[in-house]
Order: sequence, then C-alpha cells, then structure tokens
Amino acid sequence: DTEVTQTPKHLVMGMTNKKSLKCEQHMGHRAMYWYKQKAKKPPELMFVYSYEKLSINESVPSRFSPECPNSSLLNLHLHALQPEDSALYLCASSQDGTGTTGELFFGEGSRLTVL
Amino acid sequence: DAKTTQPPSMDCAEGRAANLPCNHSTISGNEYVYWYRQIHSQGPQYIIHGLKNNETNEMASLIITEDRKSSTLILPHATLRDTAVYYCIVRVVPNYGGSQGNLIFGKGTKLSVKP
Repeated sequence: DTEVTQTPKHLVMGMTNKKSLKCEQHMGHRAMYWYKQKAKKPPELMFVYSYEKLSINESVPSRFSPECPNSSLLNLHLHALQPEDSALYLCASSQDGTGTTGELFFGEGSRLTVL
Repeated sequence: DAKTTQPPSMDCAEGRAANLPCNHSTISGNEYVYWYRQIHSQGPQYIIHGLKNNETNEMASLIITEDRKSSTLILPHATLRDTAVYYCIVRVVPNYGGSQGNLIFGKGTKLSVKP
C-alpha cells in the first residue's frame, strides 16, 4: 500500500465553522506533512510532524491547528478561516532515517472553499 | 526561498525526448537534487533524485553536471500523459528523527506535450 488518503476531497465552509481535514497512510512512515497550494502556485509547506511530534510550523496562523494522534494519522483542524484560505491542502508522508531516499508520497488533496 | 531556477514553460512533441533544465548554483555538498511532477488537480509525484552521479529509473533520467550547479531531467519518449508541472528541488536527505531537508517547491516548469 503506497497510498496517502485524504478526506474529504472537497469541503465548503463558512468563516464561523469548525471543520477538520484528515490524512492517513499505512506505509509505516514516521514523517507527515501539510502543504497548502493556491491556484497556479507551487505547494507551500505548513507543518511537519516527525515521530508524532510537531517539528516544523512555517509561521502558520493559529486558525489552522494540526494534530497527529498516531503515526498513521494526521489531522488539520480549521476554525474561523478567511476566504483567502481557500486552497488545495495536500498531505504527504515519508520514511525518516539515515539511508532512506527522502521521497515524499502525496495524497490527492482536499480542496477547501471558505465562504 | 527556492534554491532552483527553471524555465516557466516548455513544449515537447509526443514521442520525442523532453529535456527539462534546472539551475541550482548554490547547492551544498550534502544536498540532493529531487524532481517531482504535478499533473493538473493531483498531488505531486516523485520522479527521481540524485547526488552527483547520473541516475535512471523507469520514469526518467537525471543528468547532473560535474560541478553540480545544474541538472537536466530527461523523459525519453514523452506522452500526452506527461503534461504536467515539473519541479526541481534541492534538499538534504533527513537523518534519523530529523526535521531537516524538507521539500520546498519553486515555481517549476509547465511541460506541454503536444500530438
């Protein structure tokens, strides 16, 4: 199984709503990532979890709250978002450790629209 | 900021080789060159990576210059399904439990394969 599964594929929410994006992998990877991608732009790194601990937060606003409940799951909790937060949110995972290829496996993304 | 420079777009005839250049003149000795591609509305897909030797796999070949300041990704027989944005990225392969070497995307090259 070389898949990273993201749900939901599409999400529409109002600015006062609370919602979550979910990501799951069963490749035994110990690093997981959230990226944000606006239309016609490259993906931008948001968060990195390594061994279930948050290791990188790229100065992301607190209305985005990541959570890694176990090594296979990664959530992104959303609250009080703005219309400019509308984007494709990509989850990725990778093996960690010396001698690995460093390849990231990406999911298909969750397309978020904030009204 | 991304450490690579790529042409914004390229065209290639179907069945011909596509040669995608990348400049990375500030690459460090412990940084690898990675190539990913993103087909419209999908998550990025790993293609190949290398340190200083040329590499080949079932998808592509990677040619790195001797001074490592530039590289070329070669798709030997491009098909319409190879139409995508191709990203050249330099990064350190992460060590055990490390948060280094995260994948930072530049603007990429939009490759259009035409019949």
